[in-house]
Amino acid sequence: GAGVSQSPSNKVTEKGKDVELRCDPISGHTALYWYRQSLGQGLEFLIYFQGNSAPDKSGLPSDRFSAERTGGSVSTLTIQRTQQEDSAVYLCASSSTQGAQGTGELFFGEGSRLTVL
Amino acid sequence: QKEVEQNSGPLSVPEGAIASLNCTYSDRGSQSFFWYRQYSGKSPELIMFIYSNGDKEDGRFTAQLNKASQYVSLLIRDSQPSDSATYLCAALGITGRRALTFGSGTRLQVQP
Repeated sequence: GAGVSQSPSNKVTEKGKDVELRCDPISGHTALYWYRQSLGQGLEFLIYFQGNSAPDKSGLPSDRFSAERTGGSVSTLTIQRTQQEDSAVYLCASSSTQGAQGTGELFFGEGSRLTVL
Repeated sequence: QKEVEQNSGPLSVPEGAIASLNCTYSDRGSQSFFWYRQYSGKSPELIMFIYSNGDKEDGRFTAQLNKASQYVSLLIRDSQPSDSATYLCAALGITGRRALTFGSGTRLQVQP
């Protein structure tokens, strides 16, 4: 596609429910990243994929969070038993260079805004 | 200490002035540094990257890096109201991480 596509753009859920957030990166980009941004805050790193493997998942805040990537393309971030502190904008980014080497240019999607009531 | 630290601002400058945005980082092993701009309600976009000590200029933007002081800055000359945004500093290799670590951003307001 022309850009990084994320869905849903908005998700309101009740505490304790599971949610899935989807990211479709730019075609041909091998690196994919998930970040989250709380209101007025910077970007918090969650996980990095190179191809289908995740060499760095150090930012996942708890075992309620998991992510996978299939076919070297689409990625899904799953949050189980959501809590109110999970409310944030979840941003996906992709890159054509491994590990954000080179120019470090990440192309971000528009984000999925998650609200946990 | 935050891994990448920025003053949250807002930094307010008049149109036509030089805006100076600063960032410090905790890991001396970090090698590459980036400035992203984020307009309200939008996603971040890359403005500049810098690897070497000294200055790097691109149009109205100049990035400065001082590895000894673990300090990165971004200067915006002839600031325009359209430059009003949050500027995010990022570093690669913080604690060996193979992804960018971002600061919390500095909000810049350019007054017409």
